[in-house]
Amino acid sequence: SQTIHQWPATLVQPVGSPLSLECTVEGTSNPNLYWYRQAAGRGLQLLFYSVGIGQISSEVPQNLSASRPQDRQFILSSKKLLLSDSGFYLCAWSPGLANQGEQYFGPGTRLTVT
Amino acid sequence: AQSVTQPDIHITVSEGASLELRCNYSYGATPYLFWYVQSPGQGLQLLLKYFSGDTLVQGIKGFEAEFKRSQSSFNLRKPSVHWSDAAEYFCAVGGGTASKLTFGTGTRLQVTL
Repeated sequence: SQTIHQWPATLVQPVGSPLSLECTVEGTSNPNLYWYRQAAGRGLQLLFYSVGIGQISSEVPQNLSASRPQDRQFILSSKKLLLSDSGFYLCAWSPGLANQGEQYFGPGTRLTVT
Repeated sequence: AQSVTQPDIHITVSEGASLELRCNYSYGATPYLFWYVQSPGQGLQLLLKYFSGDTLVQGIKGFEAEFKRSQSSFNLRKPSVHWSDAAEYFCAVGGGTASKLTFGTGTRLQVTL
């Protein structure tokens, strides 16, 4: 069966510090991968998605970037965090082929920028 | 552009009572529709999905949803709510490039004993 991991689970970082969040998927090949941010009391905002290694699409201009160095690894980064980057970050995957759109989510990373 | 509206931000029901969470969507073609549930501090879990065929779909945990094309709705229902159903529920529509999903803003369900 497929599983998705995210780490760290929680993170407290000062403003201006760098960020690296990692997401890995097991048990599948060529998945589509997604990064979402969920601000307190709000819905999910799609940040980035990827259909293959090195292929990244950005949904909103922001202080963040994403990379996909391996088929089942998706990394969310920032060079300098802002207070507004605080939130709950969720990684998700969906089957790359014969895909009807369902996505499966990881447990999330709670980021607090102080 | 596709969009999802969940008109109820917060709903409170008594344990054992029936539940209906509303979802309206806007989509240019036949939509793929989903309901997810999120417990506090956790990721989202897929409850059920609609792609085609029977407009009443069954999901996990005793939930069901009915697709009504004429009303652009995909409401989630449960005949008898349990205290463990307290969570946030998200409706989503998809089918576009890379199967991106558009989520509603969610409905927080509180269950009183």
